[in-house]
Amino acid sequence: NAGVMQNPRHLVRRRGQEARLRCSPMKGHSHVYWYRQLPEEGLKFMVYLQKENIIDESGMPKERFSAEFPKEGPSILRIQQVVRGDSAAYFCASSPEGTANEKLFFGSGTQLSVL
Amino acid sequence: QQPVQSPQAVILREGEDAVINCSSSKALYSVHWYRQKHGEAPVFLMILLKGGEQKGHEKISASFNEKKQQSSLYLTASQLSYSGTYFCGTGGGGNKLTFGTGTQLKVEL
Repeated sequence: NAGVMQNPRHLVRRRGQEARLRCSPMKGHSHVYWYRQLPEEGLKFMVYLQKENIIDESGMPKERFSAEFPKEGPSILRIQQVVRGDSAAYFCASSPEGTANEKLFFGSGTQLSVL
Repeated sequence: QQPVQSPQAVILREGEDAVINCSSSKALYSVHWYRQKHGEAPVFLMILLKGGEQKGHEKISASFNEKKQQSSLYLTASQLSYSGTYFCGTGGGGNKLTFGTGTQLKVEL
């Protein structure tokens, strides 16, 4: 029973390029959460999605960032025109029903480095 | 508003106990605790849903004081494997969590 799968594990981009981060939730999970973690800091909520719907994007920067979770396939976090400040670890988590009494299962993260 | 954790960092000798606190300025409906080792994904420890509830996981337990909007994580007889950064995550409804500032714990021989 595979856990939450994220790829790539490491991603290097030059300023101005696009970054696409993928997350496949655990089997049977339809709720996906994206978090960003800067070095030596905590996890900052970005967006919460359920299949084909964005439920809460209050933590997403207004520009350049977008997320989707299509009916088929993984959830994608897309960062356009990356800047050095986007360098961080991006973690995806999933849960089956999106309720407060469920634990989150985290993926191993994608380390984005912007040169 | 991000929950505040204290202490920020703690160093223990193997076998010693520690308490990590998590305080929120907002009303809490649930508190989650996770541990993250360097370069790895956060790993779930426990959830507390009711005020005053205490939960245990081996030698790690936690309490939740809903009135004070606080939770504490208790680590007893610490082991080397307990080293890592501990995060509390607070829920205001649903499962979107706001994680705390983190507490770095290092257990030495």
